[in-house]
This record gives sequence, C-alpha cells and structure tokens, in this order.
Amino acid sequence: DAKTTQPNSMESNEEEPVHLPCNHSTISGTDYIHWYRQLPSQGPEYVIHGLTSNVNNRMASLAIAEDRKSSTLILHRATLRDAAVYYCILRARDDKIIFGKGTRLHILP
Amino acid sequence: AAGVIQSPRHLIKEKRETATLKCYPIPRHDTVYWYQQGPGQDPQFLISFYEKMQSDKGSIPDRFSAQQFSDYHSELNMSSLELGDSALYFCASSLDPGSYNEQFFGPGTRLTVL
Repeated sequence: DAKTTQPNSMESNEEEPVHLPCNHSTISGTDYIHWYRQLPSQGPEYVIHGLTSNVNNRMASLAIAEDRKSSTLILHRATLRDAAVYYCILRARDDKIIFGKGTRLHILP
Repeated sequence: AAGVIQSPRHLIKEKRETATLKCYPIPRHDTVYWYQQGPGQDPQFLISFYEKMQSDKGSIPDRFSAQQFSDYHSELNMSSLELGDSALYFCASSLDPGSYNEQFFGPGTRLTVL
C-alpha cells in the first residue's frame, strides 16, 4: 500500500484557517486521496476525497498538488469541534481503509 | 439520518471467553467493514463483506470470524479472548465497495478482556 506522511500534531487558533499537509510521494495513478477524522471517543468520520482536481465540500477543501505527491486539507474556519485526529489515506481499487498515524489537531480558544 | 448501529456498546469478558459484536449498516448499504483500534493506536482493518460474501481480509486473528447476513447486518465472533483483544471495534458501511465511496462508521463497541 502506498504510504502517507503527516505531522504528528498541529495547533491552530479558533476561527482561523487550518492547513493540514500530507505527503504521498509513492501515490499511483489510480489512488484516491481521502481524508477522515476521528473526534475523541467517536468513530472515524469522512471529510473529503479527490483524485486530481481540488475539491470543496461543506466541511473542508482539498488541494492536490499537480504531481499528486502531496495534498493539503483546508479547514476554512476552525472551531473547537474540529479538534480531532486527521487521517490522510490513499485508497486503491480495493475499498478498505488503511489508517496511518494521522495528525492530531489542537484548537486553541 | 440513520447511522450505523453497533451493539453492544460496551462488553466485558474474561480471558478465554467468547464475544459476539453486531453491526447494523445504514439502510441500503451492502458493504460492511470491521476495524479494531487498540488503546492509543490507529484503527486497523480486519475484514469486509460485500453482498454477504467476504470481500477482503486484513489483520484478523484466526480466533475471529465474521459474516454478513441476508439483511446485511454483520457479526464479528471472537473466541478464546486474550487480554490484547481489549480494544474499540468499529463497523463501517458503504453503498457498494470502491475507492470513491465514503465509509460511514458506527460509534464502536468497547471490548474489555479481564
């Protein structure tokens, strides 16, 4: 499975944008880039996914580098509720999710 | 909106006992996945089912078995429980397998083995 590299932890102030980076230099052409997050004491939750083009949804934006070797999850205005572990995941043809280490995001009030 | 239901939410067992965890997917979802998350660990994929057939297998111990029933609910059966089996067990469901399909996770079952 292709691997991803994320910072162990990040901090951000409430109501400010947050950029969560992910490196995936061994990504293959058919890998989708997915982001999930896990809030404390809850199951993982889908955030966003993309293949080549940047994507936006109600939760976040996903910016994908032109060479697809990195991507950035953007939370436009972080709230305390966004404090979670964020997982950047590459998914190939098969459907299982292989979770890596993730980034623990702390939001400062 | 209906979510994935898991039961029980908490389970305490002794070593060498058996446990059965149940998962009820979102209506019309035909694919179920099981994940195990040990204390301080990241979730690990165990096994998945699509249309009642096993579709993929991860790091599931031989002591564990699972199946998906005709109503699409799934059960994870765990025998000869060990202390190391203490973990959160998440079930997720999706509509069709595939790398572009969102998986919806349940709240998890916390298994404690004493």
